[in-house]
Amino acid sequence: DGGITQSPKYLFRKEGQNVTLSCEQNLNHDAMYWYRQDPGQGLRLIYYSQIVNDFQKGDIAEGYSVSREKKESFPLTVTSAQKNPTAFYLCASTPTAYNEQFFGPGTRLTVL
Amino acid sequence: QQPVQSPQAVILREGEDAVINCSSSKALYSVHWYRQKHGEAPVFLMILLKGGEQKGHEKISASFNEKKQQSSLYLTASQLSYSGTYFCGTGTLGYGGATNKLIFGTGTLLAVQP
Repeated sequence: DGGITQSPKYLFRKEGQNVTLSCEQNLNHDAMYWYRQDPGQGLRLIYYSQIVNDFQKGDIAEGYSVSREKKESFPLTVTSAQKNPTAFYLCASTPTAYNEQFFGPGTRLTVL
Repeated sequence: QQPVQSPQAVILREGEDAVINCSSSKALYSVHWYRQKHGEAPVFLMILLKGGEQKGHEKISASFNEKKQQSSLYLTASQLSYSGTYFCGTGTLGYGGATNKLIFGTGTLLAVQP
């Protein structure tokens, strides 16, 4: 079955540590996205990539980094520079701007 | 820049109707609607494109007023399963055409009671 996978579902880290969240899709979509969601809030765009080896900052990119070396994979690193990293992180993909975005199940990151 | 959704929350009885609105300050190319249940990923409901094209589920209806940069989602004969938070996501035109980037509203919490 085609879809988007994110791992792990829950992640705990100590303050000051970098952590990488995985996002993989087998839908053959060109565009991929990372969103952050805080309790009672909407989705805020961190980074997005429209093609392999290219990505753009979203609205809240500070303290995060990404790579897009393969079409299927778009990992997100939460660095120690991110002031308040505890949140629910969602990855999504879409074939074009004229189609819906398909979301992964999300990773809930808690920094202790 | 973030689209404004109204109302922020609404409580319905099963069978009642509701309208959720999404308003942007920017010229829009597309409006997407999603429903999210607590702790889960958003689920696609509908996409409305400039020019009138729509794609979505049969039981969901929505409108897109391009001039007013507004969209409304119509939920009729609500069921318990309709409960959740509804988000609109707005897409704009960039250099070279429609961008793949969406800006999401803060959401409308819908609770359907028996």
